[in-house]
Amino acid sequence: AQKVTQAQTEISVVEKEDVTLDCVYETRDTTYYLFWYKQPPSGELVFLIRRNSFDEQNEISGRYSWNFQKSTSSFNFTITASQVVDSAVYFCALDPTGTASKLTFGTGTRLQVTL
Amino acid sequence: DTGVSQDPRHKITKRGQNVTFRCDPISEHNRLYWYRQTLGQGPEFLTYFQNEAQLEKSRLLSDRFSAERPKGSFSTLEIQRTEQGDSAMYLCASSFSGQLNSPLHFGNGTRLTVT
Repeated sequence: AQKVTQAQTEISVVEKEDVTLDCVYETRDTTYYLFWYKQPPSGELVFLIRRNSFDEQNEISGRYSWNFQKSTSSFNFTITASQVVDSAVYFCALDPTGTASKLTFGTGTRLQVTL
Repeated sequence: DTGVSQDPRHKITKRGQNVTFRCDPISEHNRLYWYRQTLGQGPEFLTYFQNEAQLEKSRLLSDRFSAERPKGSFSTLEIQRTEQGDSAMYLCASSFSGQLNSPLHFGNGTRLTVT
C-alpha cells in the first residue's frame, strides 16, 4: 500500500524566513515518482516538481529546493526567503507506477507567510 | 494553452438530487483524471481516461457515480441521488501520455455542497 505523510498541518513564518515542509512516504515499489504541488486559495493545484526514485540528487529552482533521501523515505521541500505569495497548501504525492495516472497525496501542509 | 477548465465552480444541491460536472482538458492532452478532495485532506483518485476509454476506477467511485468521455475530449462526472457525504471539491486533471511521466495539470475544481 502507498502512503504519504505530511506531519506538519500548518506552519506560520514571517516573510524572509526559510521554511522546510516535511514529506515521508511508504511504498513497496522500487521504482516510483514523488511530486510536490501547491494549492493557493484559488483551489488549482500547481505542479512544482517531480522526482524519480533513482535520482537522489537534490534540486534547486530559484527559492525552492528539494531534498530527497531514499534511506529515510523522505522528500522535503524548502522555501528560502519566504514571501507572502508563498502562502498556500502544499501537497506531497507519490506515484508508484511512473505513469502519473494515480497519485497518492498527503494531507497537505498549510503555509502562512506574514509581513 | 488555456489550462484545464471545470464547470461549474460551485454547486449547491439538495440530498437526493442528481448533479453533473464538466471538465475540459488541455487540448493536446489524451489523459483525463477525476479526483475528489474533502476539507483538510489531499485529493483522492477517482478515475481516469485515456482518450475515450475509462482505464481505471477507484473503489471510492460508488454505483451512484459515473464518468464519461465520449469523444476523448471533455468529460462529465455525474453523481446520482446525492448524499451529504458527497460534499467535496471535485478536481479534474489532464496529461499527455506521449511524454514520459507527464505531470498532471489540474483545474480549479467544482465545489459541491449537498444540503
